[in-house]
Amino acid sequence: DGGITQSPKYLFRKEGQNVTLSCEQNLNHDAMYWYRQDPGQGLRLIYYSQIVNDFQKGDIAEGYSVSREKKESFPLTVTSAQKNPTAFYLCASSRGPADNEQFFGPGTRLTVL
Amino acid sequence: SQQGEEDPQALSIQEGENATMNCSYKTSINNLQWYRQNSGRGLVHLILIRSNEREKHSGRLRVTLDTSKKSSSLLITASRAADTASYFCASTRGNNDMRFGAGTRLTVKP
Repeated sequence: DGGITQSPKYLFRKEGQNVTLSCEQNLNHDAMYWYRQDPGQGLRLIYYSQIVNDFQKGDIAEGYSVSREKKESFPLTVTSAQKNPTAFYLCASSRGPADNEQFFGPGTRLTVL
Repeated sequence: SQQGEEDPQALSIQEGENATMNCSYKTSINNLQWYRQNSGRGLVHLILIRSNEREKHSGRLRVTLDTSKKSSSLLITASRAADTASYFCASTRGNNDMRFGAGTRLTVKP
């Protein structure tokens, strides 16, 4: 899992609540990414950030928000507007654009009760 | 939408056999990467092959890329039980347009 950490490992949320997933990296990488993975599926890009204070929507950004105030940190908030938030969330970072190797965190499994 | 499609979806082999997984993609790419994921864990980068390369090796891994057919294959030789995992291809079209396939679930029986 390299120098990228995610917390918590498991998270339970009641419907209607916002929840924030943490992602921290000490690799001095410029770019960071959030993906969602559903059972038996590949990864879908939620948001990405190439530089501090800048981020872009991915394919499935609706119901999610992010911030990038520090190079090391890229937290993801799952809002109540996300209709089906139960999934495995993966954070990744890379030295530069996406065509570089991405380093992944261990993931956070979010379950909405 | 997913750009890459892996084939087969699941593969079960005996230890010592070779495992071949295929990936197809829809549009022109800059490069293609293969990742491995153990159950419930993050992904680990295995190998990257650029659009102007046709074959690449890393240890027991061999990756080929055929841009005319928009396909790639990952070969794991002399497989081990520890190779049991899901394997994903990810194709990159631009700076941040990286798309993952649904993966191949490989089981290597001891």
